[in-house]
Amino acid sequence: QVQLQQSGPGLVKPSETLSLTCTVSGGSVSSGSYYWTWIRQPPGKGLEFIGYYYDSESTKYNPSLKSRVTISVDTAKNQFSLKLTSVTAADTAVYYCARGVLAARSDYWGQGMLVTVSS
Amino acid sequence: QSVLTQPPSVSAAPGQKVTISCSGSSSNIGNYYVSWYQQLPGTAPKLLIYDNNKRPSRIPDRFSASKSGTSATLGITGLQTGDEADYYCGTWDSRLSAVVFGGGTKLTVL
Repeated sequence: QVQLQQSGPGLVKPSETLSLTCTVSGGSVSSGSYYWTWIRQPPGKGLEFIGYYYDSESTKYNPSLKSRVTISVDTAKNQFSLKLTSVTAADTAVYYCARGVLAARSDYWGQGMLVTVSS
Repeated sequence: QSVLTQPPSVSAAPGQKVTISCSGSSSNIGNYYVSWYQQLPGTAPKLLIYDNNKRPSRIPDRFSASKSGTSATLGITGLQTGDEADYYCGTWDSRLSAVVFGGGTKLTVL
């Protein structure tokens, strides 16, 4: 059974970098068959695609976030990570990691983490 | 403003049926598979439907979905209070080169 466990700080200061990690168990991030995805949900709002890592260094990012986002994979630790730079209050959200068979078909999700951007 | 359009809310009585629509365009729903997600309060979304109309093995057949042209529909029969949740449609958008979601529909079982 695939499980995704998220970790990282719940509070980030404005203009700093948000960093989250998703540790995968029951599967391998080295598998070229899956989309390792980050999605976020501002409080009381809907889902927003952030980006994914797929098949050996292929990444795709939401155009609205592209200049600030990096998604990477650490195969040794079986983890994938999100970095979002120059954050503002608008980046306050619950952040989810997920595994997808297709980009828009995420079948396993992390527990979600609320990240608040505030000084 | 979401790329895919869903009604903000729907409601029905226990045991009844409800449908939730998801409207898009040729750059998304019209040419790509649609997925549906159920998000119970305070939890992560759960995949409910994939490839327009397929259910993961753990999802009961009370949940069904279809796609026609640039629109998709989720149907839930035999409504239960435990079905109260937010439901999202999602798909790929070739114009944006990104995954897009609907704004979500809150289901209330009266």
